[in-house]
Amino acid sequence: GAVVSQHPSRVICKSGTSVKIECRSLDFQATTMFWYRQFPKQSLMLMATSNEGSKATYEQGVEKDKFLINHASLTLSTLTVTSAHPEDSSFYICSARASGGGYNEQFFGPGTRLTVL
Amino acid sequence: QKEVEQNSGPLSVPEGAIASLNCTYSDRGSQSFFWYRQYSGKSPELIMSIYSNGDKEDGRFTAQLNKASQYVSLLIRDSQPSDSATYLCAVKPPAGELVFGAGTILRVKS
Repeated sequence: GAVVSQHPSRVICKSGTSVKIECRSLDFQATTMFWYRQFPKQSLMLMATSNEGSKATYEQGVEKDKFLINHASLTLSTLTVTSAHPEDSSFYICSARASGGGYNEQFFGPGTRLTVL
Repeated sequence: QKEVEQNSGPLSVPEGAIASLNCTYSDRGSQSFFWYRQYSGKSPELIMSIYSNGDKEDGRFTAQLNKASQYVSLLIRDSQPSDSATYLCAVKPPAGELVFGAGTILRVKS
């Protein structure tokens, strides 16, 4: 299947700092990438959808100025958590959908576990 | 009404048995359906996709789709302890992105 990588896999930072997470589609071009957040024992929550070269579309309740998303190429999207606070500690997972075709398969990266002290 | 509904479980089955996971969806126009497996602390992994009514088999997994009744199911034959995970049903509605169910926890006991 298609491979999506994420970096870093784990990050611990101090409150008030910014953290950047990278998501790459390694063997396919992804027109659309998605960013999810998952708290322990809870379901996936879609944060935003980004299309290459366009501004991201954020889900209701997600602060676009806090969670900056850039999708500059067909293989790379970044999520920057600005001025992180302990309540932002979570498991952040990106997902990518291949360009073309009509099957809409989405492949997930391995996730980034963020801990804000 | 939730768009994609799954029983949260846990569903417990003995090793070697068939595990049956079910999912219903609300948007009748949906055309693409997916099952993901998520181990604790890991990200979801796509294990099956199905687009047409009927059954689709891949190894020990069989996905079943019934668009008239708006349900999709996943059967796991010869269940193994390593199959213990949360199984997420995902549906692509005509408009918008994939909608995920909350997941069903499966426990296979040896």
